[in-house]
Amino acid sequence: DVKVTQSSRYLVKRTGEKVFLECVQDMDHENMFWYRQDPGLGLRLIYFSYDVKMKEKGDIPEGYSVSREKKERFSLILESASTNQTSMYLCASSLRLGGNSPLHFGNGTRLTVT
Amino acid sequence: AQSVSQHNHHVILSEAASLELGCNYSYGGTVNLFWYVQYPGQHLQLLLKYFSGDPLVKGIKGFEAEFIKSKFSFNLRKPSVQWSDTAEYFCAVIGSSNTGKLIFGQGTTLQVKP
Repeated sequence: DVKVTQSSRYLVKRTGEKVFLECVQDMDHENMFWYRQDPGLGLRLIYFSYDVKMKEKGDIPEGYSVSREKKERFSLILESASTNQTSMYLCASSLRLGGNSPLHFGNGTRLTVT
Repeated sequence: AQSVSQHNHHVILSEAASLELGCNYSYGGTVNLFWYVQYPGQHLQLLLKYFSGDPLVKGIKGFEAEFIKSKFSFNLRKPSVQWSDTAEYFCAVIGSSNTGKLIFGQGTTLQVKP
């Protein structure tokens, strides 16, 4: 069974801090994703990566960057956290890009920026 | 641009009632469609998916969904809900030729009263 592990379940950070959210998957999946989940807005794609060191912007990349140095690990970086980045962040992985390969999600990181 | 709309944001049902959650999408080509579920405190998991063929697809735990191409809809149904179906449900779509961007609806919270 695929396991996607997010390093923190809850995080509290101050405005202006640099924040790292870490995600690791154990199934040798090519593709990894970062979404944010907000009430009434569903899940919105921030960034995804289809290979090591490769990344593509999703729908809401502003204020975020990502890093994928190893296949199993995908990091989301908030360069200077702001209160409007308070949210639930979900990492996911898939075997292939496209619709034929469902996403496997981690448990999420609830980030609060004060 | 692709979009997904879920009409019901919060649904409250009694056990044994029938369920139908609406999902409409906007996309100009062939699509793959998904329903994901998030039980309280758990990660998002795949409920069912449609790629091609029979437009009535069956998923886990007695759920099914019908793809109606002419209506751009993919509604989720269950004849008789249980208390354990209390969860948030997300419809999602990706273009069959698209790579990467799975678009989610806003989500529907289902509360089943025992």
